[in-house]
Formats: sequence, structure tokens, C-alpha cells
Amino acid sequence: EVQLVQSGAEVKKPGESLKISCKGSGYSFTSYWIGWVRQMPGKGLEWMGIIYPGDSDTRYSPSFQGQVTISADKSISTAYLQWSSLKASDTAMYYCARLSYCGGDCYSAWFDPWGQGTLVTVSS
Amino acid sequence: SYELTQPLSVSVALGQTARITCGGNNIGSKNVHWYQQKPGQAPVLVIYRDSNRPSGIPERFSGSNSGNTATLTISRAQAGDEADYYCQVWDSSNVVFGGGTKLTVL
Repeated sequence: EVQLVQSGAEVKKPGESLKISCKGSGYSFTSYWIGWVRQMPGKGLEWMGIIYPGDSDTRYSPSFQGQVTISADKSISTAYLQWSSLKASDTAMYYCARLSYCGGDCYSAWFDPWGQGTLVTVSS
Repeated sequence: SYELTQPLSVSVALGQTARITCGGNNIGSKNVHWYQQKPGQAPVLVIYRDSNRPSGIPERFSGSNSGNTATLTISRAQAGDEADYYCQVWDSSNVVFGGGTKLTVL
């Protein structure tokens, strides 16, 4: 069974750093892109970026470029999302998800499956 | 950047057919994917590449895409179908989500 398991909920203060994780199992971790998606309280889904663990190629949404860092350690099948200085506005649920891609005439990509989510709360 | 437009809410009577739309410029030329998100849960893929159902998704869920509108159709709606639904496309190597639609089953 393909599965993504995320690290637990975090409570942090503004200005602190944080790194959350997403561990894949049941498939070849290095052969699929992994994406991160933010969901602020009561709001919709926002794509943050994707990483290809095979070579660490990373793409960011323009909205999140420079705000977060996405990385991966293929030796332990784990992707990461990190902040160097959190803000209250980073309070949200964060999901990782495996990206399936079809090229050529198809040229499309979709997320399946998703991790269970990591709730990040930033408050003084 | 490419934008997707969804109605904020759709209501359907129990056992009837619900249709949730996703609008975008010439969206018919792209592949559209749909996710269901129930309260307190992670999203789940229900339709990929316009009209394909992942294993485990009931046949009641179907999708179509043409012109400027893609549609997710839920037949014989059940109380358990109450959820938020999001459409998504891949555009210029970016993931784009619609704003989401809340489906209420009356």
C-alpha cells in the first residue's frame, strides 16, 4: 500500500524555525515527485512546491518561493518542509502528497495519495 | 497565471444528481483532476484526467471536460458525499487548484 506519513502537530512562537517531515512507503520513493500543500483555517488548498527525491530537483510556487525550503533525504524516503523564521500567518495545516505525472500529449499531474496532514500553530 | 473558478456552494437533495463546475480559459485543452475533502480529513482523489476514477471510488462519481468548463457529477447523492470538492490542473509546470465547492446534501 502506498502511504505517506507526516510528522506530528507543532506549536511554535513567531521567529522560531521548524522542519516537518513526510515519509513515503510502499513505492519507489525516488521515482515520484512529492508536493506540499497549505490549507489555512477554513480556507482552500494552496500549492507550495514539489521535489523529485531522485535528484532533489525542486520547484516552488511563486507565492512561496523564498518563504519555505523543500528538501528530501532519499536514504530514508522522507521529504521535508522547513521555515527559518515562522510568522503567525504560517498557522495552517500542511499536507504532503505524491505527484503522478503523464507526459507527451497528456502533460498533466495530480496528487495521490495524500499524507494525513501536519498542523502548525504559530502563536506568541 | 492560470485561474480556476468554482462555485462556493452546491446543494443537492438526497438521491439526486449533483454537478460541480470548474471554469477556466480553454480548460477543455487540459486534464482536470478532482479531490474530495471531508471535515477534519486529508483530501482524496476522486477523478483524474477528466473522467477516470481511482480504485475504490464509486461509479456514482464521474467527470467531464469541454470548452471552458469541467464538471464533476455525483449521481444518487448520499449524506456521506457532503464535503468540499476541489478541481486541479497542471499548467506550465505549476499545480493550480480551484477555490473549492462545499457540497450540501439535503
